Amino acid sequence: EVQLVQSGEVVKKPGESLRISCKGAGYNFTNSWISWVRQMPGKGLEWMGRIDPRDSYTDYSPSFQGHVLISTDKSINTAYLQWRSLKTSDTAMYFCARRLGMATDAFEMWGQGTLVTVSS
Amino acid sequence: EIGMTQSPATLSVSPGERATLSCRASQSVSKKLAWYQQKPGQAPRLLIYDASTRATDIPARFSGSGSGTEFTLTISSLQSEDFAVYYCQQYYNWPPWTFGQGTKVEIK
Repeated sequence: EVQLVQSGEVVKKPGESLRISCKGAGYNFTNSWISWVRQMPGKGLEWMGRIDPRDSYTDYSPSFQGHVLISTDKSINTAYLQWRSLKTSDTAMYFCARRLGMATDAFEMWGQGTLVTVSS
Repeated sequence: EIGMTQSPATLSVSPGERATLSCRASQSVSKKLAWYQQKPGQAPRLLIYDASTRATDIPARFSGSGSGTEFTLTISSLQSEDFAVYYCQQYYNWPPWTFGQGTKVEIK
């Protein structure tokens, strides 16, 4: 089955570091960019950034540049979203998503989401 | 950054009726626009891309139209499973790709 499978729910304290994952299955992982999308509680969708699994080239939204790091390990078909120092405002659901095609950054496949709670 | 504005915020519709959702871009996005459906506790699902092309396995009652700055998602006859939040997203000008704030379609 073609899918993106994300790591599980996590609870962290402010200032802690975190890395969540998104594993691609059932397709050639290097064929499609992976994006990360944030959804804060009760709010809408925000695109954070994307990575090309072939060469780890990344683009970030200015709103998230410098606060998160997107990476990939193509040997295990996995993309990551990482924080060095979490804030309470990072509490959100995070989705990874695969784009439809080379010229179409609509997201045809989504992971199930990872809920991150940051609380002291 | 291109701003995306959806209207209305909430749409109350009876099952079987037609629903029309709007999305406006702050500048032209050509036809680089997608629509998603999101139900509580679920990931978004792609409905429409390139403004008017239905994604795989999306029923024909969903249709998209528009170009430039004005776009519409129409659900021709609402089914019970269609009550959800709908988002538009532009992928014409980055960074970043941007989403509208969503329209909630609720049962009247």
